[in-house]
Amino acid sequence: GAGVSQSPRYKVAKRGQDVALRCDPISGHVSLFWYQQALGQGPEFLTYFQNEAQLDKSGLPSDRFFAERPEGSVSTLKIQRTQQEDSAVYLCASSSFAMVEQYFGPGTRLTVT
Amino acid sequence: GQQLNQSPQSMFIQEGEDVSMNCTSSSIFNTWLWYKQDPGEGPVLLIALYKAGELTSNGRLTAQFGITRKDSFLNISASIPSDVGIYFCAGLKTQGGSEKLVFGKGTKLTVNP
Repeated sequence: GAGVSQSPRYKVAKRGQDVALRCDPISGHVSLFWYQQALGQGPEFLTYFQNEAQLDKSGLPSDRFFAERPEGSVSTLKIQRTQQEDSAVYLCASSSFAMVEQYFGPGTRLTVT
Repeated sequence: GQQLNQSPQSMFIQEGEDVSMNCTSSSIFNTWLWYKQDPGEGPVLLIALYKAGELTSNGRLTAQFGITRKDSFLNISASIPSDVGIYFCAGLKTQGGSEKLVFGKGTKLTVNP
């Protein structure tokens, strides 16, 4: 497709469940980013991949959060034992190697009940 | 936490009016970007600024990168109803070999027809 796609668009999880959120970046984009956006806030950086290498995971809030991009294309953000404070929109963005401009997907809205 | 201060938090204007919003930081950023986010969507890149003092236009939008590299503003001329949304500034931070975007909390724009 032409843009970044994310699935599912909406996810409701009971507290304690594990969830997996998928991101399909723009074809050929080397860099991939995950952000967390709480209600009424701007996106906050979680982690960054260049191809399959996770170069920065400093924004992951706890060891319950894990991201992977095994073949340098699709990425999955996994949250284990979800908590209510994990409720947010999770945004994925991609950019080509030489560009800083990041292009965002529509996000996955996660609600933990 | 976020380091960019955006103002105003919200604006209510009449169609046809010009709008100005700004973003300040206590840190220097080498690149500033402005994004617009519609409800249920990811942020869409409007303008990217790469040099201190740079003034860039994109249609009715004009943005400037402050000389001190600690601020930026965005102007929208002759507003129309589809300008409604949340506008985010973002600064690109290079840290430990990784680049990440730091976002402000956004300016919510409402345009009355």
